[in-house]
Amino acid sequence: ETGVTQSPTHLIKTRGQQVTLRCSSQSGHNTVSWYQQALGQGPQFIFQYYREEENGRGNFPPRFSGLQFPNYSSELNVNALELDDSALYLCASSFTSSAQYFGPGTRLTVL
Amino acid sequence: GDSVTQMEGPVTLSEEAFLTINCTYTATGYPSLFWYVQYPGEGLQLLLKATKADDKGSNKGFEATYRKETTSFHLEKGSVQVSDSAVYFCALANAGGTSYGKLTFGQGTILTVHP
Repeated sequence: ETGVTQSPTHLIKTRGQQVTLRCSSQSGHNTVSWYQQALGQGPQFIFQYYREEENGRGNFPPRFSGLQFPNYSSELNVNALELDDSALYLCASSFTSSAQYFGPGTRLTVL
Repeated sequence: GDSVTQMEGPVTLSEEAFLTINCTYTATGYPSLFWYVQYPGEGLQLLLKATKADDKGSNKGFEATYRKETTSFHLEKGSVQVSDSAVYFCALANAGGTSYGKLTFGQGTILTVHP
């Protein structure tokens, strides 16, 4: 059974740029959630995708957007990057409402 | 809205000591409760969970009991090891809102175990 994978591992961008992060869900899982974890903090919910539709959103601006594909993999896109977007971005997959399993994360640094 | 509060400050213990990390929550409805562990430079690993009142989750010697009357889900281990050094997060998932399965996390507790 393959776990949740994320790419890239690390990324450095400059303010105003756009970034795309990718996530492959665990085998058998149909739901993907994205979280932002600032240094020294708990993860904050960005949004969740179920059957290719957004299924809930946290307190993040519209420049954070996502996609889920028919194979249940997902992308997180962030436009007009700001310094405060520097964080660890975590993807978690689950089967509907079951426990969520996390990937290793993508460390984004915005300069 | 939903919230989770963990005990403040890092915890430092000697090997084989008893561990308690306190967690309390505020939520509508009947949330599921979780403990996740994060090792340095890694993502979060599910440690244990409980889905209804009085349930006890357990894994790798760690235990936590879902106490609805005190809205608590304290993490315990009878004898910690150096390898347990990590950051521990308490979290809840509430299906009562619009974000089904959304996890709300506490701020995390850093555990350091010395030989």
